Amino acid sequence: DAKTTQPNSMESNEEEPVHLPCNHSTISGTDYIHWYRQLPSQGPEYVIHGLTSNVNNRMASLAIAEDRKSSTLILHRATLRDAAVYYCILSNSWGKLQFGAGTQVVVTP
Amino acid sequence: DAGVIQSPRHEVTEMGQEVTLRCKPISGHNSLFWYRQTMMRGLELLIYFNNNVPIDDSGMPEDRFSAKMPNASFSTLKIQPSEPRDSAVYFCASRPIAGASGNEQFFGPGTRLTVL
Repeated sequence: DAKTTQPNSMESNEEEPVHLPCNHSTISGTDYIHWYRQLPSQGPEYVIHGLTSNVNNRMASLAIAEDRKSSTLILHRATLRDAAVYYCILSNSWGKLQFGAGTQVVVTP
Repeated sequence: DAGVIQSPRHEVTEMGQEVTLRCKPISGHNSLFWYRQTMMRGLELLIYFNNNVPIDDSGMPEDRFSAKMPNASFSTLKIQPSEPRDSAVYFCASRPIAGASGNEQFFGPGTRLTVL
């Protein structure tokens, strides 16, 4: 299964944008790029996903490199509620998710 | 919508006892997943079902673990006999369409299992 590489942690000030990078150099043509987050003491929560084109939704934006070997999750205005572990995951044809260690996002007031 | 429902939310048991975790997926969802989360190993996929049929159980640790999905609205994960190393948070998730890579998974609140 293709793997992803993310920084262990990132810090941001409240109301500032957060850019979370993810490298996935072994991605295959049919792999989707998914982002989930996990708030403390909760189950993971879907954030966004994409295949080739950039994607936007109410939670975040996903920017995918042209060669698809990397992507960036963008939180436009971080709030204290966005403090969580963010996981970048490649899904196979069955939609199977393999979670890595993720990036711990810390938001300071 | 109620979301994915898991029970119990907390379970404390003694080594050697049988433990059964329960999950009710979101109505209409065709895929169901069981995960386990520990500090040491993170989130691991144990097994998943498509249309009530187990597709991949390669993540199930050993024969002490078994999972069933007798119908589209109910699944169980059983550990018999339980051991202290099974202590973890167990999550159930469901997804609308079987075999679709782009579908999001909806996670339940988890069951925190402690085996003494």
